[in-house]
Amino acid sequence: SAVISQKPSRDICQRGTSLTIQCQVDSQVTMMFWYRQQPGQSLTLIATANQGSEATYESGFVIDKFPISRPNLTFSTLTVSNMSPEDSSIYLCSVAITGGGNTIYFGEGSWLTVV
Amino acid sequence: QKEVEQNSGPLSVPEGAIASLNCTYSDRGSQSFFWYRQYSGKSPELIMFIYSNGDKEDGRFTAQLNKASQYVSLLIRDSQPSDSATYLCAVNVRTGANSKLTFGKGITLSVRP
Repeated sequence: SAVISQKPSRDICQRGTSLTIQCQVDSQVTMMFWYRQQPGQSLTLIATANQGSEATYESGFVIDKFPISRPNLTFSTLTVSNMSPEDSSIYLCSVAITGGGNTIYFGEGSWLTVV
Repeated sequence: QKEVEQNSGPLSVPEGAIASLNCTYSDRGSQSFFWYRQYSGKSPELIMFIYSNGDKEDGRFTAQLNKASQYVSLLIRDSQPSDSATYLCAVNVRTGANSKLTFGKGITLSVRP
């Protein structure tokens, strides 16, 4: 497995502002992902963060709203831009550990409330 | 549309009973299957993964996979109140050079003392 640290763990944000979430892993990993979990819902993949190239976004998510950086194999950031109350959610950083398949492990999450 | 479906909950079982959690998936190309447990206010934690048809046991947990029926389940024996949580089924599908994990909506398990 891997130890995945996210910051901030929780925040209350004003409508229209942007917030950057940081994700640090204790080992080098090739694949990092960002998920969103809205209240009472399951997890939805936002994008795959690729080291050295642009992130790959899932349908319904765009770079202007959720810019992602991946400067090295242990770190990534997700920015939630121009926030609205609908962006209130848990944002989860995750990594894939290979070994017979790709097993996904999650950080502790960043709980954002937009007011 | 690639989907992962879980039984609608919540599921309530008495302490000591077997809890059976079920999941079906639509994409026959799915190659690996995972069960995560999520306590309220926490992030998901991996319980088990399974790749091959049949059963895989780990302590009180048994994952069962039937690729022909596109069905994966999780059995929890001797259920404890501490098992009360939401259980998420996830399916890993290869998309080109990468793979993507798709989650079901989860089922909430309540174990009654």
